[in-house]
Amino acid sequence: GAVVSQHPSRVICKSGTSVKIECRSLDFQATTMFWYRQFPKQSLMLMATSNEGSKATYEQGVEKDKFLINHASLTLSTLTVTSAHPEDSSFYICSASGQRLATDTQYFGPGTRLTVL
Amino acid sequence: GEDVEQSLFLSVREGDSSVINCTYTDSSSTYLYWYKQEPGAGLQLLTYIFSNMDMKQDQRLTVLLNKKDKHLSLRIADTQTGDSAIYFCAESIPGTGNQFYFGTGTSLTVIP
Repeated sequence: GAVVSQHPSRVICKSGTSVKIECRSLDFQATTMFWYRQFPKQSLMLMATSNEGSKATYEQGVEKDKFLINHASLTLSTLTVTSAHPEDSSFYICSASGQRLATDTQYFGPGTRLTVL
Repeated sequence: GEDVEQSLFLSVREGDSSVINCTYTDSSSTYLYWYKQEPGAGLQLLTYIFSNMDMKQDQRLTVLLNKKDKHLSLRIADTQTGDSAIYFCAESIPGTGNQFYFGTGTSLTVIP
């Protein structure tokens, strides 16, 4: 149980285009979803936290107009990278928390590798 | 911000025990976690410990928590080649909306 999926797993796009990444909790209701970015051989950097039905809270330095987050239901959150540029190339990982355990553990998706040409 | 630190690399021989260490700075953390990340994949939750515990054992995994020194460790007994991965510790701090603070990650290499 506590499975989180992401789609797509890999995406290659041209500079200037927008890319949407989906994060789904498959067997639990995710009241909170988190979006992380990970550069090669580095730790995860939290980009934003989203609660179902409300606006996402972005971390300092993360452009909310560039990284649009929507958490419209208890099982789906989307991250849209708008007007992507090569420097946006990265590994994007979502996680979901649903108070399924007393720990409010975060369950992670498998990640999406974005390459912007 | 919160600092969570780990040593970057660890190499062990197959069959030996591995010990991965983590230090943190915020003593108000409620839970501390260990995640495993294989190349190109997401994070897999290995185990967690509540902050009022000092040890937790789960099959080959033993977590030790020294709250006074803010030190967390993960011991993997009988390390196998399939254990080669990056291991992240993380802590959750009350009042932050279940936000996690991740360590820098330790790359474990198991030598056959």
